[in-house]
Amino acid sequence: QVQLQESGPGLVKPSETLSVTCTVSGDSMDSSYWTWIRQPPGKALEWIGYIYNGRVTKYNPSLESRLTLSADTSKNQVSLKLTSLTAADTAIYYCARDRALIRGGTDAFDVWGQGTMVTVSS
Amino acid sequence: DIQMTQSPSSVSASVGDTVSITCRASQDISTWLAWYQQKPGQAPKLLIYVASTLQSGVPSRFSGSGSGTEFTLTISSLRPEDFATYYCQQAHTFPRTFGPGTKVDLK
Repeated sequence: QVQLQESGPGLVKPSETLSVTCTVSGDSMDSSYWTWIRQPPGKALEWIGYIYNGRVTKYNPSLESRLTLSADTSKNQVSLKLTSLTAADTAIYYCARDRALIRGGTDAFDVWGQGTMVTVSS
Repeated sequence: DIQMTQSPSSVSASVGDTVSITCRASQDISTWLAWYQQKPGQAPKLLIYVASTLQSGVPSRFSGSGSGTEFTLTISSLRPEDFATYYCQQAHTFPRTFGPGTKVDLK
């Protein structure tokens, strides 16, 4: 059974950098698209980006200039770094698996972590 | 980016009712559409993918239809555990985008 567990700092100051980690168990780090999705309080979901095969990344253009996704396969972890934080980055950050199709591409987020709440405030 | 809209934004229903939610994409996404259910304090849960395929373990009272730009999620014989918010999501193009959600609450 695939399980994802996010961990984050909880509270971050404006202009600082957010670091969140997702620990993956029950699946290969190399064969899935590990995706970050966030949800501001009371609002809809926003796709942040994915990392695949430990190094191939794709980012939401709206965040690309501030975002870095990475993976540590020895620890079965994927990580998100988001710089220059503002209050608009306050959200629950979810790690999810974007299910890979045999012929290529992906079709849906079939496994989710429980999410970690991040508040940007001084 | 592909914009996703949902209607209605909320619906009040009773146990046993049938509820339908519409999702529209700003461009043709074929059948690359997924539906999720989210309850308060929980992560979203995948219900349906490629517009009409039920995810393993999801009850058959949930069904999806549509292609192109218009899609429908139907919940038949609503049960108490179905009161939640439902999101559609396009899987045709990056960045992936979600609809704004439809809240199904108790009448």
